[in-house]
Amino acid sequence: AQKVTQAQTEISVVEKEDVTLDCVYETRDTTYYLFWYKQPPSGELVFLIRRNSFDEQNEISGRYSWNFQKSTSSFNFTITASQVVDSAVYFCALTRRTGANSKLTFGKGITLSVRP
Amino acid sequence: ETGVTQSPTHLIKTRGQQVTLRCSSQSGHNTVSWYQQALGQGPQFIFQYYREEENGRGNFPPRFSGLQFPNYSSELNVNALELDDSALYLCASSLASGSITDTQYFGPGTRLTVL
Repeated sequence: AQKVTQAQTEISVVEKEDVTLDCVYETRDTTYYLFWYKQPPSGELVFLIRRNSFDEQNEISGRYSWNFQKSTSSFNFTITASQVVDSAVYFCALTRRTGANSKLTFGKGITLSVRP
Repeated sequence: ETGVTQSPTHLIKTRGQQVTLRCSSQSGHNTVSWYQQALGQGPQFIFQYYREEENGRGNFPPRFSGLQFPNYSSELNVNALELDDSALYLCASSLASGSITDTQYFGPGTRLTVL
């Protein structure tokens, strides 16, 4: 069975602070994908990143960066110089890479509040 | 925007009624997945449709059923509504190519309230 744990439930920071959102996963699959999605108050889940289990290289996209470590089964997300528009619920998710059923297993989400 | 649309946006039903939610997938996508998101929780997988057939199902009772049409749009039907069915229902579309899965892109969701 697959499981995603986001131990942090709510984080509040002041604008321009850096913040890291933690994600720990469990899977018996040797090939899998990890994702981060953002859910603003409007409700739509916005795709941020997909990481292949074969690729442990960290990734940076503007103010966003991701740290994938298979040894600790973690896929953490850092926002540098946070902005008020970053306020949202952030979900980490996991799916098997191959196979007919590519369901996403989500964590419970982390509510990030960025104060001006 | 993802190009995935859902209707209606909001819906209020009473216990015991039936409801149909609709989803139009992103152009070029052939797979639709449905998720239920209760307040304060992560989305839970209901089922997935690929080429008009159910391609996997989560831990939901048979009163949750679905369809996928030749144009890859999809419906989620829920019979005998219960109060606990109140949630945000999310549809996601993706492109399945062979056995390799692809990123799922989500629609804006339908918020269902059961009274």
